Amino acid sequence: DVKVTQSSRYLVKRTGEKVFLECVQDMDHENMFWYRQDPGLGLRLIYFSYDVKMKEKGDIPEGYSVSREKKERFSLILESASTNQTSMYLCASSTLGQGQAKNIQYFGAGTRLSVL
Amino acid sequence: GESVGLHLPTLSVQEGDNSIINCAYSNSASDYFIWYKQESGKGPQFIIDIRSNMDKRQGQRVTVLLNKTVKHLSLQIAATQPGDSAVYFCAENTGGFKTIFGAGTRLFVKA
Repeated sequence: DVKVTQSSRYLVKRTGEKVFLECVQDMDHENMFWYRQDPGLGLRLIYFSYDVKMKEKGDIPEGYSVSREKKERFSLILESASTNQTSMYLCASSTLGQGQAKNIQYFGAGTRLSVL
Repeated sequence: GESVGLHLPTLSVQEGDNSIINCAYSNSASDYFIWYKQESGKGPQFIIDIRSNMDKRQGQRVTVLLNKTVKHLSLQIAATQPGDSAVYFCAENTGGFKTIFGAGTRLFVKA
């Protein structure tokens, strides 16, 4: 089974802190994604990566950055956390490339971040 | 912009009944659709998918129907069980890396 592991289930940070959310997948998937999930808004894509050291902005990249130094690891960084970044963050991975019809994503359990 | 939406935010069904969760999509270029299930405390999990060249696809107790004429997608769950209680997301993909998710429908199963 595909396993996507997020380093923390719950995180509480203060406004202005630098926050790192880590995600590791064990299936050698090329693609990795970071979403935030808010009630009534579904999943919104922050950033994704289709290869090591490659990254693409999603729909809501402002206030976030990412790092993909190794294929299995994709980090989300909040340079200066703000209260409006309080949310559930979900990491996902997939193996199929652009142009192919399928893009099934495998998700981690999520990190619930509270910024006070 | 393009969007995937849901007709009903919550659905309550009696155990043993069939459930139907609906979804409308607006991107006529979408060629692949997926249903995910998210249980409390977990990330979304793949349930079933369908390509745009199909109208219906069946899995174990689940069926997905696609009506491209009206851009409508539905998930049918037969003999709904308490373990089916979750939030269900439809999602669409146009062949690229990005997948567009709907807002989700919460399914409650009454014993």
